[in-house]
Parts: sequence; structure tokens; C-alpha cells
Amino acid sequence: DAGVIQSPRHEVTEMGQEVTLRCKPISGHNSLFWYRQTMMRGLELLIYFNNNVPIDDSGMPEDRFSAKMPNASFSTLKIQPSEPRDSAVYFCASSLQVSGANVLTFGAGSRLTVL
Amino acid sequence: DAKTTQPTSMDCAEGRAANLPCNHSTISGNEYVYWYRQIHSQGPQYIIHGLKNNETNEMASLIITEDRKSSTLILPHATLRDTAVYYCIVRAKNTGNQFYFGTGTSLTVIP
Repeated sequence: DAGVIQSPRHEVTEMGQEVTLRCKPISGHNSLFWYRQTMMRGLELLIYFNNNVPIDDSGMPEDRFSAKMPNASFSTLKIQPSEPRDSAVYFCASSLQVSGANVLTFGAGSRLTVL
Repeated sequence: DAKTTQPTSMDCAEGRAANLPCNHSTISGNEYVYWYRQIHSQGPQYIIHGLKNNETNEMASLIITEDRKSSTLILPHATLRDTAVYYCIVRAKNTGNQFYFGTGTSLTVIP
């Protein structure tokens, strides 16, 4: 298995532009998570999906952020319009619950720089 | 989910055992203890988890005290590649799938 695949790995954009980050979870995993990591705030959970349905988006910073999971093998995180304070590494993770325990597998991350 | 407390940083000599403590004094009976680590610029990596009993896998051992209020992750023979931030997370069984990462312990393995 190739693991969780994220794209792009690096993105540099200008303030006001739309940014779309993509994630392909591990086949068979039924949960998907989006995290953001900065030096100041550490790893923050933005949103997670169970069986393609958004369950908790309370971590999404504001309306400029949106996430979708149209099917079990693909998810997007969109920022529109982007701002410099959105600069961070965005991680996608997927998991499969086994006997009540839940092990997350993370992707390599997408490093976003908004100028 | 129960809050965890970890030291901010630790050093360990290469080849020696690294013992990383975690306090979770408010843990409840249905909460698992999970350990993840994050090597610089990479995504967090699962290490091990346990409920009551001590656990061992190819990466590490997890020792949970009898009262379950604290645990220790043991890397038996630390290498330079084990330098990373180690996160201890407590999460209830069969609840919503949120995993909240704290600040973790920054482990430096010294040659």
C-alpha cells in the first residue's frame, strides 16, 4: 500500500488566491482527518470524516476553509481566499477502527506558503 | 478525553534505552493510551497503544502503571533516527474519532 497520498507537497501562492489541497486515504480506511501544523499552535485538528460524512468541523478556522470528501478515496481542503496566516503544513490522515482502537496513518503533508 | 502531561524535552545517549514518561491522572477505564512520534518535517507516525496491559512491538514497549494514571514509552536501544517529538494521547474507546495532539516531548539522541 502506498500509504496516505497528499498533493501538492509544496505550494507557494499569493494572498487572495484559492488553494486546494488533496488527499487520497489508504484503501479500506473509513475515517479521514485534516490537521494543520504551525510552530505557534502545533498540530490542530481541522475536520474529520467518517464514511465520507463530515462529523466534526469545529476546528476549521473560519468560512474561508472548506473540506469535502466526495468518495472513499478522495478528499480536498480548500482555502478561499488565502491569507498569509494560513501558511502552515497541512496533514491528511486516515484510519480504520479495530476493536475500539483507532490507529491514524498520516500523509507526508502539504507545505503551504501564502505571500 | 483525558489530558496528558509530558516533559518538554529529553536527551538520550545513542544505544541506551530512552524512557519517555506521560502522566494521564484523569484517565477513565475505557480510554486507550496512544504514542505517536514526528520526525522533523514528516507526518506523525504511530508507535504503539495500550489499554491496561503492557505492550511491546518492533518499535517500542509501553508500560502502563497499575492505576493507569501514567505510562512510559521505552525505546530499548535509541538510535540517532529516533530523534523526534513524541506525543502521548489518551482517547476513549469507540468515541468520536478525534485525536488531539499536545506539545509532546522532544527527544534528542546524542552520539
